[in-house]
Amino acid sequence: AAGVIQSPRHLIKEKRETATLKCYPIPRHDTVYWYQQGPGQDPQFLISFYEKMQSDKGSIPDRFSAQQFSDYHSELNMSSLELGDSALYFCASSLGGTYNSPLHFGNGTRLTVT
Amino acid sequence: AQSVSQHNHHVILSEAASLELGCNYSYGGTVNLFWYVQYPGQHLQLLLKYFSGDPLVKGIKGFEAEFIKSKFSFNLRKPSVQWSDTAEYFCAVSSTGGGNKLTFGTGTQLKVEL
Repeated sequence: AAGVIQSPRHLIKEKRETATLKCYPIPRHDTVYWYQQGPGQDPQFLISFYEKMQSDKGSIPDRFSAQQFSDYHSELNMSSLELGDSALYFCASSLGGTYNSPLHFGNGTRLTVT
Repeated sequence: AQSVSQHNHHVILSEAASLELGCNYSYGGTVNLFWYVQYPGQHLQLLLKYFSGDPLVKGIKGFEAEFIKSKFSFNLRKPSVQWSDTAEYFCAVSSTGGGNKLTFGTGTQLKVEL
């Protein structure tokens, strides 16, 4: 079965650079969630989108922005990168209009800021 | 806002030993409860979930969890662990009125020794 696809798998950037992470949800899933998992930490919710509109916002820095496109894929844009942004970034998708639809996670993008 | 606490951060067991991982949540309303597993270098995978009905839920790979509403708990159990169960286990909650966004606990690192 098709899963959530994230690209790239690994990304190395320098401080103050920008990065763009991409997420392709499971077909027919209309809701995308972004999570950040620092080393040894639990995943922290950043932001979510339902039907191309932001549906919820968590602890996402102002330097980050995200959007969901007409094909439901989502991109997380990160600017002015800091060393502390080094983390594993997970995307998850679900059927937003379906009550209690479980989240399905992608393999994540490991971002290293040097 | 909901919160999740997992009491055991690191657990080491021998193969065939029984497992119980504690999870308590804090939220004033109705919640949905989940356990996710993260094998080394992999994405989060859903082990089991509770929405309503029978408080004892069975998941994949022989795991089960019991929802005890009076104790705000959702402990994960397995009668006999295997070396391949070595992974990190996350308890998570979502509120029934808050979409499907998950709030995770801090995780329990389980190591099963041969």
